[in-house]
Amino acid sequence: AQSVTQPDIHITVSEGASLELRCNYSYGATPYLFWYVQSPGQGLQLLLKYFSGDTLVQGIKGFEAEFKRSQSSFNLRKPSVHWSDAAEYFCAVGAIKAAGNKLTFGGGTRVLVKP
Amino acid sequence: DTGVSQNPRHKITKRGQNVTFRCDPISEHNRLYWYRQTLGQGPEFLTYFQNEAQLEKSRLLSDRFSAERPKGSFSTLEIQRTEQGDSAMYLCASSFDRGEMGDTQYFGPGTRLTVL
Repeated sequence: AQSVTQPDIHITVSEGASLELRCNYSYGATPYLFWYVQSPGQGLQLLLKYFSGDTLVQGIKGFEAEFKRSQSSFNLRKPSVHWSDAAEYFCAVGAIKAAGNKLTFGGGTRVLVKP
Repeated sequence: DTGVSQNPRHKITKRGQNVTFRCDPISEHNRLYWYRQTLGQGPEFLTYFQNEAQLEKSRLLSDRFSAERPKGSFSTLEIQRTEQGDSAMYLCASSFDRGEMGDTQYFGPGTRLTVL
């Protein structure tokens, strides 16, 4: 069975500082990996995805993530955080096509941005 | 097309009542998913449709839950005899199956259910 772990429940970062959110997954084959962001009371917005190819993927809002197969990780980074980046971030792994492509999410990391 | 829409956005009901939620996917998306998200947790998969066929249901989907997608477009999720434990955000997502490549799911704003 697939699973996702986001070790950090909360992260506080100063505006302008760099941000890294950790994500570790467990999956028996090549995974499809996603990062979504959720503002309070809202749905999820896709930040970026990894299906294959280049292991460093670029997303929206200046975010990037790196797939490391040897570490089963897909960490999300942003060089300089803006106050509007305060939100909850979810990492997810997608099943292969035959299994229905349902997503398994981690528990999320809430990011607080200090002025 | 402005994305996935869900109605209502909020629903408050009394225990034992039935509720129905609607999801309108992005046009031409042939897959539609339902997830449930409780406070402080990540979303959990409930069920998904390929066109009008319901192809998978989670064990989380008890007999009180039923989902339909009658014409392969919009979908409804009904909860019968609601319980306080059903209080959650119900999220809908849609995607276009591109064959070998994994699909990308786009989420709606969710329906927040509160059972009193």
